[in-house]
Amino acid sequence: GQQLNQSPQSMFIQEGEDVSMNCTSSSIFNTWLWYKQDPGEGPVLLIALYKAGELTSNGRLTAQFGITRKDSFLNISASIPSDVGIYFCAGTSGTYKYIFGTGTRLKVLA
Amino acid sequence: GAVVSQHPSRVICKSGTSVKIECRSLDFQATTMFWYRQFPKQSLMLMATSNEGSKATYEQGVEKDKFLINHASLTLSTLTVTSAHPEDSSFYICSARGSRTTNEKLFFGSGTQLSVL
Repeated sequence: GQQLNQSPQSMFIQEGEDVSMNCTSSSIFNTWLWYKQDPGEGPVLLIALYKAGELTSNGRLTAQFGITRKDSFLNISASIPSDVGIYFCAGTSGTYKYIFGTGTRLKVLA
Repeated sequence: GAVVSQHPSRVICKSGTSVKIECRSLDFQATTMFWYRQFPKQSLMLMATSNEGSKATYEQGVEKDKFLINHASLTLSTLTVTSAHPEDSSFYICSARGSRTTNEKLFFGSGTQLSVL
C-alpha cells in the first residue's frame, strides 16, 4: 500500500538533545497525525494537526503542518530515555483512508 | 484520549485453527474501524476498513475469506483469521475513527501478537 516518506529512518541521540523528524507526501492532506509506538504495543496518538501552517505542542513535543500541506514535522526537545520508540506520521485527505509513514526509530543514549 | 481495547494481546495457535481478535471502542462510538498488520521493524499495513453494519472493504492482496471482519455495532469489530498458517504469524492492530467530535483522530488498540505453530 501507499506510504509516506519519513526521515530519518533511525537516529541515535544523547539524552538532552533535541530531535527532528519529518514526513513528506506527494498528495495534499488536510489532517496530519503523529504517533509513538513502543515494542509490542499499539501506536499512541501524540499530536493532531488540521490546518496548513499550524504549530501544536504537547509537552516537549512540537509538530507543524507544512504550508504546502504535503509535509509535516515533529520535534522533541530535551530528549529523555523514555522517548525511545518508533514514531509514525499519518495523513488523510478527508476520506476514510489514512496513509502512514515508514517510521523513525529513535534511540536515546543516557 | 479515547480508549480502544484489543484482545487478546497474544495468542499461540496450531496451524489450521481459527483465531478471533476483538477490538472495542470503550468511550466513543467508532463509525469506522481499521485492521492493520505489522511485520517486525516495519510500518503498519492496512488490511481492511469496516463500517458498522456493512461489509468490510479489503485492501488489494488481502484475502477476505481468510481474514473475516465483522463490525456488528458501533463499539465492536472482530477479525477472524481462518485456517491459520505459520505465514499468518504477525502483529495485528486495530484502530477506530470516531465521529466529528474526535476530529478525525485515529485511536489504536494495543495489538495482538499472533503466532501460528
